[in-house]
Amino acid sequence: GQQVMQIPQYQHVQEGEDFTTYCNSSTTLSNIQWYKQRPGGHPVFLIQLVKSGEVKKQKRLTFQFGEAKKNSSLHITATQTTDVGTYFCAGRSNDYKLSFGAGTTVTVRA
Amino acid sequence: DAEITQSPRHKITETGRQVTLACHQTWNHNNMFWYRQDLGHGLRLIHYSYGVQDTNKGEVSDGYSVSRSNTEDLPLTLESAASSQTSVYFCASSEGQGHGYTFGSGTRLTVV
Repeated sequence: GQQVMQIPQYQHVQEGEDFTTYCNSSTTLSNIQWYKQRPGGHPVFLIQLVKSGEVKKQKRLTFQFGEAKKNSSLHITATQTTDVGTYFCAGRSNDYKLSFGAGTTVTVRA
Repeated sequence: DAEITQSPRHKITETGRQVTLACHQTWNHNNMFWYRQDLGHGLRLIHYSYGVQDTNKGEVSDGYSVSRSNTEDLPLTLESAASSQTSVYFCASSEGQGHGYTFGSGTRLTVV
């Protein structure tokens, strides 16, 4: 079945620095979604990418969908303490179900 | 405001007991899902439903069942709780294929 791999599993970032988390699928995806889960909270939908090569921005967050629609990335610039949490990608293939990656847990050093 | 609520928030049960976790949404979403979250595994799909009387197995459905008698509710039942089912359970709903999921606050289940 479809597998979505996410790297790195943990990201320790100095406040103000940039970082990127990556998501790779074993199969071509129809779309990919990103979620954020704060410590002790529940996943919250951030964005969906549908088109090959699509790039979307939300303030300091930049989301990209690969040309082959098998990978995606989330880049955060000028990391703040409010960025702490776990970021999940979730890929949807032709069977319409979402498959979640294991997540990247981000901690920020002030 | 529309919402999705899970109950209870915390539950401790004994091995072998039947347990039911509730999920209720007022979004009028047809699509509802149950996931479990364990460290290192992310979110794994247990069961899902695309409408009333429709239920489907996910990737980790063994030992779990669901029923969908109305649009608002998708209760998750553990037939005979096992220690391996200790986890955090999230219910989610969605308007459709092109939309994100709205998650409930989760139920932390401990099987002793």
